[in-house]
Amino acid sequence: QAVLTQPSSLSASLGASASLTCTLRSGFNVGTYMMYWYQQKPGSPPQYLLRYRSDSDKQQGSGVPSRFSGSKDPSANAGILLISGLQSEDEADYYCLIWHINAWVFGGGTKLSVL
Amino acid sequence: QQQLQESGPGLVKPSETLSLTCTVSGGSISTSYYYWGWIRQPPGKGLEWIATIYYTGSSYYNPSLKSRVTISVDTSNNQFSLSLSSVTAADTAVYYCARYPASGTPGTGSYYGMDVWGQGTTVTVSS
Repeated sequence: QAVLTQPSSLSASLGASASLTCTLRSGFNVGTYMMYWYQQKPGSPPQYLLRYRSDSDKQQGSGVPSRFSGSKDPSANAGILLISGLQSEDEADYYCLIWHINAWVFGGGTKLSVL
Repeated sequence: QQQLQESGPGLVKPSETLSLTCTVSGGSISTSYYYWGWIRQPPGKGLEWIATIYYTGSSYYNPSLKSRVTISVDTSNNQFSLSLSSVTAADTAVYYCARYPASGTPGTGSYYGMDVWGQGTTVTVSS
């Protein structure tokens, strides 16, 4: 079982909201982790969006719009990237990242399509 | 705005050593504020952390690659480098260098995830 699991794809409508999940392997508590989110468009490097541990311990990336936000769902042991007011340029791959037992670990990525 | 630029051969033969350099501009690499490191992405696949280094030379490695990887820093030229030995086709990837903000007491090995990335360089392993 992978440490971080992301849905391979997600579709959402223009102007709507999209909730991208990153589920941590059972046996580990997502609440203790700082989770990072990155956006990657074809042919470009990943861009840092934000990091989130709790509402009191978070950071928005420089120049990243506030319609990108982070949260957690303890019941699902998952981190969440919420994108509100979806725009066509939000169509991209999104990766989550954590520091886990002496290594940085990425999720497999979610391809977001904006319809 | 600090910028990072990867450089190195685009083609490496199997069993040889891959060597890449990342040049940092817009600020000194010898700062307590940041760590520096490498990530790679095989064609059509996800991201994999390789290694991170502090300007003092303290380094941190992905356990799955540690036996083949060396990361080093050259403060006089504001660069850091990656060496990956005994390469195979599985090492074919886009290699990115990145900056990691330090957290807590500087130099203690505590740092955040990557916040600035280079454009990446494609390395193909083939005879």
